[in-house]
Amino acid sequence: GQSLEQPSEVTAVEGAIVQINCTYQTSGFYGLSWYQQHDGGAPTFLSYNALDGLEETGRFSSFLSRSDSYGYLLLQELQMKDSASYFCAVRDTGFQKLVFGTGTRLLVSP
Amino acid sequence: SQTIHQWPATLVQPVGSPLSLECTVEGTSNPNLYWYRQAAGRGLQLLFYSVGIGQISSEVPQNLSASRPQDRQFILSSKKLLLSDSGFYLCAWSTSGNEQFFGPGTRLTVL
Repeated sequence: GQSLEQPSEVTAVEGAIVQINCTYQTSGFYGLSWYQQHDGGAPTFLSYNALDGLEETGRFSSFLSRSDSYGYLLLQELQMKDSASYFCAVRDTGFQKLVFGTGTRLLVSP
Repeated sequence: SQTIHQWPATLVQPVGSPLSLECTVEGTSNPNLYWYRQAAGRGLQLLFYSVGIGQISSEVPQNLSASRPQDRQFILSSKKLLLSDSGFYLCAWSTSGNEQFFGPGTRLTVL
């Protein structure tokens, strides 16, 4: 089986930097993905890491350490619109399906 | 470009009534298709996934079923809804298995 752990909530102020951590336990591993979901909306894909290291996409970066079964999403220059839930997800062994973490709610204040 | 449609957007149904939610994808062929349910303030629970027409894998035993009658059509059904079936139902598609694209979702309330 697979399990993923994320903090339930993170708070920050506009313009700050925030890091959302994800640790996972899996029997196999194909990569770590991150999704953003605003209240009432559908999840949208943010990033995917298959190899160790940092992937940068604009204000968002995602990091993976396979040896530590750990990854994080880094959000820089926070904006109010970044207030949302963020989910990490791992692809299940041998199947084209994802197992999602429980999500981290990010609250950005002025 | 690819698009995914789900309908209806919201649905209120009495306990014991049937359910049919439809999802269609445009702009891609032979996608993997997924049904998820999300309870309020919770994570995503995978219900069913399909890698091809007529091929359905069930993740959680329950009173729901899924069908894929066409390559880009995925249907979620129930013969008799339970109160516990309330939630936000999301359809998604993928070709790589790593990146999934979600539809707008159906918010179901069972009374």
